[in-house]
Amino acid sequence: DSGVTQTPKHLITATGQRVTLRCSPRSGDLSVYWYQQSLDQGLQFLIQYYNGEERAKGNILERFSAQQFPDLHSELNLSSLELGDSALYFCASSVARGREQETQYFGPGTRLLVL
Amino acid sequence: GQNIDQPTEMTATEGAIVQINCTYQTSGFNGLFWYQQHAGEAPTFLSYNVLDGLEEKGRFSSFLSRSKGYSYLLLKELQMKDSASYLCAVRDNGNNRLAFGKGNQVVVIP
Repeated sequence: DSGVTQTPKHLITATGQRVTLRCSPRSGDLSVYWYQQSLDQGLQFLIQYYNGEERAKGNILERFSAQQFPDLHSELNLSSLELGDSALYFCASSVARGREQETQYFGPGTRLLVL
Repeated sequence: GQNIDQPTEMTATEGAIVQINCTYQTSGFNGLFWYQQHAGEAPTFLSYNVLDGLEEKGRFSSFLSRSKGYSYLLLKELQMKDSASYLCAVRDNGNNRLAFGKGNQVVVIP
């Protein structure tokens, strides 16, 4: 158990819909990262937040957005869902206090199925 | 940008040693991580290299050569529970984002 929690564990929805995935980082971690993992693409970095502010952006679609709240939990919003958005979505967290080794610890993931 | 390459699958016998390679091309380098991922589960951290050389951690060791853009993960005394995908990830210079390879699926057989 990494200490990172994600809800829900599974999500089934229809095309065109909007969903929200939630992540709580490990206690004391300030940075949250979102990744998408599909069978053919591997783990793709989407976005990073540090202490409430966006820090880095990866291959995140415009239909997707995220935020980090004052209590440091984060939400990833996926809208106008398409079949191709079906994937595992992972959240990871790290301390982000300037230490050399900033290991990211991953949550259990949310499996999204768009029908 | 970053390009990370790993072989896709290998099979090995329980008790054996297996080496998983990773080559990378990146515009900025600030460390390389190895993660283990069982099917449908979260990646779990195995090792970290930022300087050239070998890092040993029990049955797992990881090696890095920055000049060659190359790393390997060595798994010794293989156990059935080591059947998993092994992901190599390079950390970008300037921030902590990770670029992952597609992973190498290791299947351990009796």
